[in-house]
Amino acid sequence: DAKTTQPTSMDCAEGRAANLPCNHSTISGNEYVYWYRQIHSQGPQYIIHGLKNNETNEMASLIITEDRKSSTLILPHATLRDTAVYYCIVRVSGSSNTGKLIFGQGTTLQVKP
Amino acid sequence: SQTIHQWPATLVQPVGSPLSLECTVEGTSNPNLYWYRQAAGRGLQLLFYSVGIGQISSEVPQNLSASRPQDRQFILSSKKLLLSDSGFYLCAWRPKGGYRAFFGQGTRLTVV
Repeated sequence: DAKTTQPTSMDCAEGRAANLPCNHSTISGNEYVYWYRQIHSQGPQYIIHGLKNNETNEMASLIITEDRKSSTLILPHATLRDTAVYYCIVRVSGSSNTGKLIFGQGTTLQVKP
Repeated sequence: SQTIHQWPATLVQPVGSPLSLECTVEGTSNPNLYWYRQAAGRGLQLLFYSVGIGQISSEVPQNLSASRPQDRQFILSSKKLLLSDSGFYLCAWRPKGGYRAFFGQGTRLTVV
């Protein structure tokens, strides 16, 4: 699975959009980009994933560059409860895959009032 | 609906004592199962995964072992705990062919 690079930490004002970048320059054609987050002392929570196209769900939007070498997770209106460590992971998806998620260090997002 | 149960929530064990952490999944069959560990201030490290009963793959050499005696039961064990085994242990599952993993609430293990 391709390696990802994320900033160690970021701050965001409550109510503003939080934009979390991720570099995955060695991503291969069949690898998806996944985002999870981990609120302190809890298990990670799935946020969103995508292959090529931008994706949006009730939690966030995922913007993937055309060359797929980087992506940005957008939390449109950050709240204090969004304070967490955000992990960007790339991996192959599909029934034949073991589904292993290899976590990096992630980005610690601090939402401030 | 599917749920994952992991217990106990916290555990304090002396060095050299055995360990058994249990994880069970409800509402699904033949899931992929995973054990992760998070040392204090560190990232999540994949320890073991299983794609079926009795099938265990180890990701890192360590003092721990895993077993899957039943389809939806995943057990993490140690014969003799070390101080370095302290950490936050998380069990997770993913349906075959599914795209997202679901994590339990974790067990915080302190070895003293």
